[in-house]
Amino acid sequence: ETGVTQTPRHLVMGMTNKKSLKCEQHLGHNAMYWYKQSAKKPLELMFVYSLEERVENNSVPSRFSPECPNSSHLFLHLHTLQPEDSALYLCASSQGGHGETQYFGPGTRLLVL
Amino acid sequence: DQQVKQNSPSLSVQEGRISILNCDYTNSMFDYFLWYKKYPAEGPTFLISISSIKDKNEDGRFTVFLNKSAKHLSLHIVPSQPGDSAVYFCAASAVDSGNTGKLIFGQGTTLQVKP
Repeated sequence: ETGVTQTPRHLVMGMTNKKSLKCEQHLGHNAMYWYKQSAKKPLELMFVYSLEERVENNSVPSRFSPECPNSSHLFLHLHTLQPEDSALYLCASSQGGHGETQYFGPGTRLLVL
Repeated sequence: DQQVKQNSPSLSVQEGRISILNCDYTNSMFDYFLWYKKYPAEGPTFLISISSIKDKNEDGRFTVFLNKSAKHLSLHIVPSQPGDSAVYFCAASAVDSGNTGKLIFGQGTTLQVKP
């Protein structure tokens, strides 16, 4: 497996469910990112982890909870989501720091009913 | 306030001709710019980047031009091919983004290359 992988690729959940999105990078990078892409809107940065430490939390509601157990894995735990949270959730990784290219996974398409 | 803007939501060109995608930014602290391409059901794929110390960077059929005084950059694809049909995102990084490597993205431009 190479690059950045994400599972599941598609997820349908009710507002009372708890689910987790998983991201894994095989690039030896030090930083990992969660983005949200809603229809007709730019990619919105949610969280940044550098060397497993959260360095950015972009005013994301607490119903989204990230976890970075090591530099290769990143999770996004979801609970009591709202229908407006339906979107494409993208994970990315980079060497970390300014001027480094980010490489994206294929995304998880989330639908909240 | 959107710091990176792609004002054309879509662009249609004929195969073999030039495609020009435009991007404007407002933050004078941006000094590193990237273009990504995205196919449906896939994540964005890195295409090409440019640092503010340059005004042009070329990679095969793709060239990015940066006009710092106008806070404008453009991506030229020549010759355009049907496989280039995708959504193109412009992104920027600020010199004061520290160890986050934070990128700010535009809304994207959908390019259609007709055979």
